[in-house]
Amino acid sequence: GDSVTQMEGPVTLSEEAFLTINCTYTATGYPSLFWYVQYPGEGLQLLLKATKADDKGSNKGFEATYRKETTSFHLEKGSVQVSDSAVYFCALSARNNAGNMLTFGGGTRLMVKP
Amino acid sequence: NAGVTQTPKFQVLKTGQSMTLQCAQDMNHNSMYWYRQDPGMGLRLIYYSASEGTTDKGEVPNGYNVSRLNKREFSLRLESAAPSQTSVYFCASSASGQRTYEQYFGPGTRLTVT
Repeated sequence: GDSVTQMEGPVTLSEEAFLTINCTYTATGYPSLFWYVQYPGEGLQLLLKATKADDKGSNKGFEATYRKETTSFHLEKGSVQVSDSAVYFCALSARNNAGNMLTFGGGTRLMVKP
Repeated sequence: NAGVTQTPKFQVLKTGQSMTLQCAQDMNHNSMYWYRQDPGMGLRLIYYSASEGTTDKGEVPNGYNVSRLNKREFSLRLESAAPSQTSVYFCASSASGQRTYEQYFGPGTRLTVT
C-alpha cells in the first residue's frame, strides 16, 4: 500500500537558520504530494502541494520539489522564524482515489529558538 | 466563513460510555473524512464519505460508526469507548473527484477515555 516516511523530530533550529525536512513516499502510479502544517492547538492547514514530477510547490517562503526519480518531496526554507514552530506533515493522494484520500507521514515537530 | 467546525473541543469518557462527535462544513464540499491523530503516527483515516449518502471504512474503523446526515454534516460515534480510543479526532472536507484538491481540517476534538 501507499506510505509516507518523514524524518523524526523534533528539529530544533535557531532563527534565520536553513530548514530541511525530508519526506519520501511509496505509491503506485503518480500521486499528488502535499505538505500540511499544524500550529499548536489547531487543525492542519495546507502549506503547499505539487501534482506532477518536477513541480515545485511554494508558499510563505517554504518550497518542495516533486522528485519522481528519488520518490521524495523534501520541505525547505531558507530562513526560519520563531513563528514557523509547528508540526509539519507530508502526505500523498494517489491516482484512482475517488475519495481523494490522503496518506500521511508521522509528522515532524519544528522548534525555532530566538 | 467558518470552514469546518467540530464539537465538542474536549471530552472525557469512562470506559464503556458512548458519544458522538459532530462535524459540519459550509464550503459545499462533497467529501468528508474522520481522522485520529496519535503521537508519532500522523493522521489515520477512520471513515470517509465520498458524497452525500455514502460512507466507507478507512484504515482504522473498528469501534466507530459514522453518519452522513446531509451534505454539510458528518458525525462519528463511539458506541462503547475504550482507553485505546484516547486520541485527537479531526474532521476534514474536500471537493470530490480530483485528487489534487486539498482537504480542509477542523480544529479537532481531544478525547480521553479513562
